Amino acid sequence: DAKTTQPTSMDCAEGRAANLPCNHSTISGNEYVYWYRQIHSQGPQYIIHGLKNNETNEMASLIITEDRKSSTLILPHATLRDTAVYYCIVGYGQNFVFGPGTRLSVLP
Amino acid sequence: DVKVTQSSRYLVKRTGEKVFLECVQDMDHENMFWYRQDPGLGLRLIYFSYDVKMKEKGDIPEGYSVSREKKERFSLILESASTNQTSMYLCASSSWGRGGYTFGSGTRLTVV
Repeated sequence: DAKTTQPTSMDCAEGRAANLPCNHSTISGNEYVYWYRQIHSQGPQYIIHGLKNNETNEMASLIITEDRKSSTLILPHATLRDTAVYYCIVGYGQNFVFGPGTRLSVLP
Repeated sequence: DVKVTQSSRYLVKRTGEKVFLECVQDMDHENMFWYRQDPGLGLRLIYFSYDVKMKEKGDIPEGYSVSREKKERFSLILESASTNQTSMYLCASSSWGRGGYTFGSGTRLTVV
């Protein structure tokens, strides 16, 4: 079973920030938080990952709470092309278990 | 640009056929994985490999086998294809200590 809990779906207006939450209350000390997304009919695409500190790259920002039991993926200026299923995964980088993810719809 | 390449995007096979799905990565990754993805069931791990000639069963290995003769290539074999193996098959690779997976584009297999 996936070790994360995410909302089933979310909507976001184009140009606004999309904030996708993830709960991972049973995360262990050395496990990372990874985010992937999957656009219809394509393979999942890596977005970002982190351990304790907040991370930012050209695609997104990852905010991890101090107790590491939850995190938020932030797409700062969502576009229509960001419409996808977003997966939050915890682990050491191997044998990922994918849950159902969050279906993000970016609306014009 | 680094890549995981799956040999076919779409494949149609008959029941009982032996089917080979090929996956090649050019990143010198140690680890390779095969998942299948079905509506409502998400991605499920079939087999994985941490090294050449090594293989480990995932969550749903029944009806499948794998081969890893070279580091860059990981093949998924359906010994006798059945209609319940109609699915999207995704290959991924990763390297120890260097982040997560890189996925291929997937092979949509239809068994008729």
